[in-house]
Amino acid sequence: GAVVSQHPSWVICKSGTSVKIECRSLDFQATTMFWYRQFPKQSLMLMATSNEGSKATYEQGVEKDKFLINHASLTLSTLTVTSAHPEDSSFYICSAWDYQSGELFFGEGSRLTVL
Amino acid sequence: QKEVEQDPGPLSVPEGAIVSLNCTYSNSAFQYFMWYRQYSRKGPELLMYTYSSGNKEDGRFTAQVDKSSKYISLFIRDSQPSDSATYLCAMGGWANFGNEKLTFGTGTRLTIIP
Repeated sequence: GAVVSQHPSWVICKSGTSVKIECRSLDFQATTMFWYRQFPKQSLMLMATSNEGSKATYEQGVEKDKFLINHASLTLSTLTVTSAHPEDSSFYICSAWDYQSGELFFGEGSRLTVL
Repeated sequence: QKEVEQDPGPLSVPEGAIVSLNCTYSNSAFQYFMWYRQYSRKGPELLMYTYSSGNKEDGRFTAQVDKSSKYISLFIRDSQPSDSATYLCAMGGWANFGNEKLTFGTGTRLTIIP
């Protein structure tokens, strides 16, 4: 089946630094990708919808200047957590639609720890 | 009222039992339904999806949709310890298929006891 790859799978950074997470659709093109955040033992929380070639659509309460999303190609979306703080530590997951199969596939997730 | 309701559990059953996981929804515009399995510290993995009322079977898994009652189920037969995970239901409408975000349940944590 289709594969969505995330990188890095685990990142530790110092408070105040920025971290970029990549989400790639490996064998299909994805005009729409989604970014989620998940705290331990909680469900997915949608942060934003990433649209290829246009600005991302953010959910209410998500700071667009803090969580920068770029969807520059049909196979790559990036999430940059700017000026990260310990409260940004979380599990970040992306997903992408495969139009051919009509399925939404998820990446493996990226665990961010901010010290 | 949430658009999608799912009992968060936790649910513990003995190995070999039949597991029934359920979601109810309120939005009649939902037309396609998915079940995901998520192991700890991993991304969700698509198990099954269906676009119509009725049953869909895949190995030990059966997805059931009753649009008239706005109720979906996932059954796991001959449950195995490896089935221990969180199961998320998700659904969406046709209006903007493939572009719109799915609406997720909160997930049910399942543990299969050997």
